[in-house]
Amino acid sequence: DGGITQSPKYLFRKEGQNVTLSCEQNLNHDAMYWYRQDPGQGLRLIYYSQIVNDFQKGDIAEGYSVSREKKESFPLTVTSAQKNPTAFYLCASSINNVQETQYFGPGTRLLVL
Amino acid sequence: GQQLNQSPQSMFIQEGEDVSMNCTSSSIFNTWLWYKQDPGEGPVLLIALYKAGELTSNGRLTAQFGITRKDSFLNISASIPSDVGIYFCAGLHAGGTSYGKLTFGQGTILTVHP
Repeated sequence: DGGITQSPKYLFRKEGQNVTLSCEQNLNHDAMYWYRQDPGQGLRLIYYSQIVNDFQKGDIAEGYSVSREKKESFPLTVTSAQKNPTAFYLCASSINNVQETQYFGPGTRLLVL
Repeated sequence: GQQLNQSPQSMFIQEGEDVSMNCTSSSIFNTWLWYKQDPGEGPVLLIALYKAGELTSNGRLTAQFGITRKDSFLNISASIPSDVGIYFCAGLHAGGTSYGKLTFGQGTILTVHP
């Protein structure tokens, strides 16, 4: 089945640790996105990538880093510089840059211990 | 980044009732999207609107693209328990520095009592 997978479903981070969230898609989509979701707020864009080996900062990129070495994969690293990392993280992909065709993964919930 | 003003924030209704929610903004949009998110899952696209004044239905769901291009509403008729979830609007900016960007509303949490 085609789709987007995110792992793990839940992730715990200790203070000062970097953690990496996985996102894989087999939809052959060119563009991939990372969003952060907090209670009572809409999705906020962290980073996006329109093509392999290229990515752009979104509205809240500070404390996060990404890579796009393969078309299918767009991992997100939450660094120790992100002071409030507890949130639900959603990955999405779309056909080229047609954002209205975005498909979302099931999400990863990150909790800080 | 900008956010859309989505209301109401939450709704508690009885099964069978109709539901209405809306999004407004000071910005103009080319496209309006409505998503539903089940607990612990990613959002799923319900309806996409591409033209001012457009009225589109998907089963019991009906959405409209406002004439001013600054607002949109979603109606759900004859609600059922599986309608429970968070509903998000999202708008694709038509111009300015946010051109081409997708902005999401804060979400409407819908609870349906059997």
